[in-house]
Amino acid sequence: SQQGEEDPQALSIQEGENATMNCSYKTSINNLQWYRQNSGRGLVHLILIRSNEREKHSGRLRVTLDTSKKSSSLLITASRAADTASYFCFWSSGSARQLTFGSGTQLTVLP
Amino acid sequence: GAGVSQSPRYKVAKRGQDVALRCDPISGHVSLFWYQQALGQGPEFLTYFQNEAQLDKSGLPSDRFFAERPEGSVSTLKIQRTQQEDSAVYLCASSFKPGEANYGYTFGSGTRLTVV
Repeated sequence: SQQGEEDPQALSIQEGENATMNCSYKTSINNLQWYRQNSGRGLVHLILIRSNEREKHSGRLRVTLDTSKKSSSLLITASRAADTASYFCFWSSGSARQLTFGSGTQLTVLP
Repeated sequence: GAGVSQSPRYKVAKRGQDVALRCDPISGHVSLFWYQQALGQGPEFLTYFQNEAQLDKSGLPSDRFFAERPEGSVSTLKIQRTQQEDSAVYLCASSFKPGEANYGYTFGSGTRLTVV
């Protein structure tokens, strides 16, 4: 498997707190994306950051990218119980077919 | 429809049985991907189509796995002589742009296959 690593594997926080998830990948990338997956459901695209970008915001989401360290982080601010889900980073490198997911972080937000 | 549709949602197969999983991508989407997701893991790439052409099948785990997209829209993933290790959720994704590199994908809800 070419999967990268995400940490933590599981994260439990109280509603209103911030949640930070980290992703390590192994190759040079074109872009990196974050997806969310509710239990038993498909993946929902959250945000994309290009390899020449360092930070991007979308609503309560903030993504950073450090290509020198081959890592990215996803910050969810002011978390809500509805944010409970698994979060996966996903990157493309080289041709369209080189698409890889991280191992995922299971986030639980307690009301 | 507005999203990627996969059927069936759930499939229970006896070991050795053949199964066929269907994916209806968003109309007009050129690129179509299949992924396999084991319990508690991230999805792993199986195969990629651009229109009707299967450009990459390097992720298919064995020759028991076969995918097709004959008219460049609906795709079918077929698994012959299913084994217990084939139990997983099979996800389909499509995107409008060929090469997709700067765009997100739309995923279906997946087919959960259980081989007993």
